[in-house]
Amino acid sequence: AQKITQTQPGMFVQEKEAVTLDCTYDTSDPSYGLFWYKQPSSGEMIFLIYQGSYDQQNATEGRYSLNFQKARKSANLVISASQLGDSAMYFCAMREENAGNNRKLIWGLGTSLGVNP
Amino acid sequence: NAGVMQNPRHLVRRRGQEARLRCSPVKGHSHVYWYRQLPEEGLKFMVYLQKENIIDESGMPKERFSAEFPKEGPSILRIQQVVRGDSAAYFCASSPGTARSPLHFGNGTRLTVT
Repeated sequence: AQKITQTQPGMFVQEKEAVTLDCTYDTSDPSYGLFWYKQPSSGEMIFLIYQGSYDQQNATEGRYSLNFQKARKSANLVISASQLGDSAMYFCAMREENAGNNRKLIWGLGTSLGVNP
Repeated sequence: NAGVMQNPRHLVRRRGQEARLRCSPVKGHSHVYWYRQLPEEGLKFMVYLQKENIIDESGMPKERFSAEFPKEGPSILRIQQVVRGDSAAYFCASSPGTARSPLHFGNGTRLTVT
């Protein structure tokens, strides 16, 4: 079963507007972490933001925030005031912390975001 | 602080040759991961190593592929007798292995098999 689901293969947003990228996950591990990464056309993977399953507050990093709804198992990324440089692929990933030696990141298929001027 | 260094950035090999991809993790990171990415696709896990040990190689083909992370020196992903289907971007990532720690990625090696 898919553990990380990103339902939006591609989307566009107008410059300076906010955009939400969806991510739902599936795990029975009570301790897990959720990560968002950005991959611009140049190819590098850039870490954006982290949310722990026990964190009381939603994570924020500058223009990035995570809308974490634990009961719904969703961890949507919100980008405020979109910029042209935000055009990229965005990946959601999860790590199950009680998976012992198997604590690797599990990745979604990504969402391609285009920002229109 | 240097990030994850991968080299070469681009590698062209003819079918049947060997490809060696190198990865120097962030200083102090003892956990290394290799991922493969095909065009328009997400990352596919290949192998997870800690110093001198392979922890999980469930994503790596059993034949022609091998990985190591020696006590001294970079991690190496080795592909023997390359075929056209091996053409992809190969990413290395490292982490200190603690909870909450993200993976830090290198810029990837783009392998083209002709």
